[in-house]
Parts: sequence; structure tokens; C-alpha cells
Amino acid sequence: SQQGEEDPQALSIQEGENATMNCSYKTSINNLQWYRQNSGRGLVHLILIRSNEREKHSGRLRVTLDTSKKSSSLLITASRAADTASYFCATDNTNAGKSTFGDGTTLTVKP
Amino acid sequence: DVKVTQSSRYLVKRTGEKVFLECVQDMDHENMFWYRQDPGLGLRLIYFSYDVKMKEKGDIPEGYSVSREKKERFSLILESASTNQTSMYLCASSRTASLYTQYFGPGTRLTVL
Repeated sequence: SQQGEEDPQALSIQEGENATMNCSYKTSINNLQWYRQNSGRGLVHLILIRSNEREKHSGRLRVTLDTSKKSSSLLITASRAADTASYFCATDNTNAGKSTFGDGTTLTVKP
Repeated sequence: DVKVTQSSRYLVKRTGEKVFLECVQDMDHENMFWYRQDPGLGLRLIYFSYDVKMKEKGDIPEGYSVSREKKERFSLILESASTNQTSMYLCASSRTASLYTQYFGPGTRLTVL
């Protein structure tokens, strides 16, 4: 079974609103990453958060990690139509660079 | 910028054919990965390689093999394609120094008839 599971599966918002996606995982991890995938394309790495970190920011992205709940959230503030994509969390519990990906959240931002 | 290229964006093959999917990266990355992506199943790791001529099985290696003769090139081989191998195939690479940041190619959508 997948290590990371995103929630919700799909999210539709208006431009300018904030979008929050959640990721839950089952076993302890060394780090967690978020990736983005535009339709029919490869994935692009967004941000990595280590197991000893609780929050990380990158531009309009804010990622939190709660290891006690085995969950992470990705917040995109002031969303734009160009943010429309699928977002995946990936976890690594091997320290070997072999990440396990979830099923993704499909975000639609309406102009 | 890191560039990962895949030999084809779209490929149509017949059942029983031998299929080669090629992946090339231009940043001297040590690690390379092959995934398949299916609706509702996310990305699943097929094989990965940490070095030339080295390979390790991922979560779903059955029906696939790989070859890494040169550092920049990682090939995925379907020895005898079957309809259940119709999927999107994604190649990725990473540096050992920043092990967890993977750079992906654009993907190959393979249809097996």
C-alpha cells in the first residue's frame, strides 16, 4: 500500500483563495517532499521538509509536518490559475533516496 | 537546469513486442529511477539504479528489466509487452548529495494493443 496518501483527492477553488492539501503516512520517515505535476507532464520538486522540522516556507508555499500524527500539509496562498496541477507528497523512510509517492491531490484554480 | 529526457512522449506497441524506453539526464546524477503512473494508484517504483551497471528492484519489477551501461542513460525494457503495461512511464534522476530531490522527465505514455 502507498506510504503517503493525499487528501482531498480533488480541490476546486477561485483564484486568490488559499488551497490546503494534506498528506498522511504510515511509518516513521526521514523526510517528506511535495511535488507538482501539470497535466500529462513529469513531476517537479517543490519543497522538502526533514523529520526534525515542523514548518517550512518557499514563496507562496507553506509546508507543515506533524510526526506525532504522521501527517503533513501543503498550503498555497493567493492561488493563481497557473497553480492548477496535481500535487503529490513523497516520503522516504530508508535514507536511501527511494521515495514512496501518494496518489496526489488534483487542484483546479478557476480564474 | 537539470534536464531529463525520455525517448518518446507517446508510444503504441502490440502485445508480445519487446519495448525499449530510454531516459537520459545531463547533470551527472548518480541515481536514476523508473516509475509507472496509473489513475488511482499514484506513482509506483519499477527499478532504480545508484550507479553504472547497478540496478535494484522497486515495488513492481515483474515484467520489466533495466539497463544502465552509461551514467547518463537508464533504459527500461518490456521483454514481452502486455496490455496491463499500458501506462504513463516516468523517469527521474537525483544526486546522491541531495538524495531526495528527484528530477523527472516529461513521461512516455505507452499503449499496448
